[in-house]
Amino acid sequence: DVKVTQSSRYLVKRTGEKVFLECVQDMDHENMFWYRQDPGLGLRLIYFSYDVKMKEKGDIPEGYSVSREKKERFSLILESASTNQTSMYLCASSRLSGRGDTEAFFGQGTRLTVV
Amino acid sequence: GQSLEQPSEVTAVEGAIVQINCTYQTSGFYGLSWYQQHDGGAPTFLSYNALDGLEETGRFSSFLSRSDSYGYLLLQELQMKDSASYFCAAYRGGGKLIFGQGTELSVKP
Repeated sequence: DVKVTQSSRYLVKRTGEKVFLECVQDMDHENMFWYRQDPGLGLRLIYFSYDVKMKEKGDIPEGYSVSREKKERFSLILESASTNQTSMYLCASSRLSGRGDTEAFFGQGTRLTVV
Repeated sequence: GQSLEQPSEVTAVEGAIVQINCTYQTSGFYGLSWYQQHDGGAPTFLSYNALDGLEETGRFSSFLSRSDSYGYLLLQELQMKDSASYFCAAYRGGGKLIFGQGTELSVKP
């Protein structure tokens, strides 16, 4: 069974803290993504990566950075957490090309609360 | 700008047919995907339309009209387990998706 695993389901952090969200996939997918999900706004793309050490900004990258040191692992970093970053964060992966890259596999999500 | 519009909520009864519409405005459009998300769960892929027309997968069908920038998801023989949020997403190539705000479907007995 294919799997995208996020390290935490729930996190509570303080304003100003540096926060790491970790994601691991076991499907040998090239593409990995970080989205945030907020009520009424759907899912919005923060960052994505096509390959190890490669990253590109999505639609809302401000306040975030990412790291991809290994193919299976993609980390989202909140450099200095703020209350407006309280949200559900979803990691996803897909194949690099062909029909396979139209289907994204998502993790269960990390609900982050910044207080 | 780039956006997808879909109704925020739809209610239907068990056994009925429901259609969830999606209109989109986006550059670099390759096709339209649909995802299902149960409360507290991960979004899961349902379908992808690259070409105009209807694609059927069991009880679910998806339609795309590029000329109208419009698509829909059709769910037949509704079951209680179909209660979930449904998202349309424009595929921009390279695996990138733009999602609509989601439609919450409630199936009543």
